[in-house]
Amino acid sequence: GESVGLHLPTLSVQEGDNSIINCAYSNSASDYFIWYKQESGKGPQFIIDIRSNMDKRQGQRVTVLLNKTVKHLSLQIAATQPGDSAVYFCAENILGGAQKLVFGQGTRLTINP
Amino acid sequence: GAVVSQHPSRVICKSGTSVKIECRSLDFQATTMFWYRQFPKQSLMLMATSNEGSKATYEQGVEKDKFLINHASLTLSTLTVTSAHPEDSSFYICSARDVTGKAEAFFGQGTRLTVV
Repeated sequence: GESVGLHLPTLSVQEGDNSIINCAYSNSASDYFIWYKQESGKGPQFIIDIRSNMDKRQGQRVTVLLNKTVKHLSLQIAATQPGDSAVYFCAENILGGAQKLVFGQGTRLTINP
Repeated sequence: GAVVSQHPSRVICKSGTSVKIECRSLDFQATTMFWYRQFPKQSLMLMATSNEGSKATYEQGVEKDKFLINHASLTLSTLTVTSAHPEDSSFYICSARDVTGKAEAFFGQGTRLTVV
């Protein structure tokens, strides 16, 4: 299958600090991007999304930035909390005969007390 | 919010047997459902995309005769792992998009398959 992002980095931050998680994608034929959070043994949970005609979108404590020029997405989490510890994936909606949602490799975020 | 229910959450089966996993959209109708497989410490790998009433579209390298997908209604898709082997042990996750055409996909809680 296809893959967005080719590595699984780990990010450790202090509780209360801001976190930035990055994702590189390779397919230009996409119109929509989503960040998901996955806790151990569970399915992905929607965090925030952004359409390709935007470069920034803000939610509650989270911001997604999209740079189509370099095919890069980032997720910023403000004032991280212990409950933010999880693996975070970016996903890309690839247009085509059948639209499909392809996941990046993921980043494990660990919050230190 | 939209809820996708996946059943069973865990299953252990013997080599050579078949296992069926169900994915249901509980409060919306899903024209498209996706099936993913996830190995430990790895990302979700798309196996196939199924549309209600038509044949599933499989990703390259996924055996359609081994992983049978049926999407018979707007609220139910099933994945059957046929003649399972230990290497099929994995976490299988489904997701669904609703009929309104919104791109957001909602995920089930996953099924942990162990083949012994």
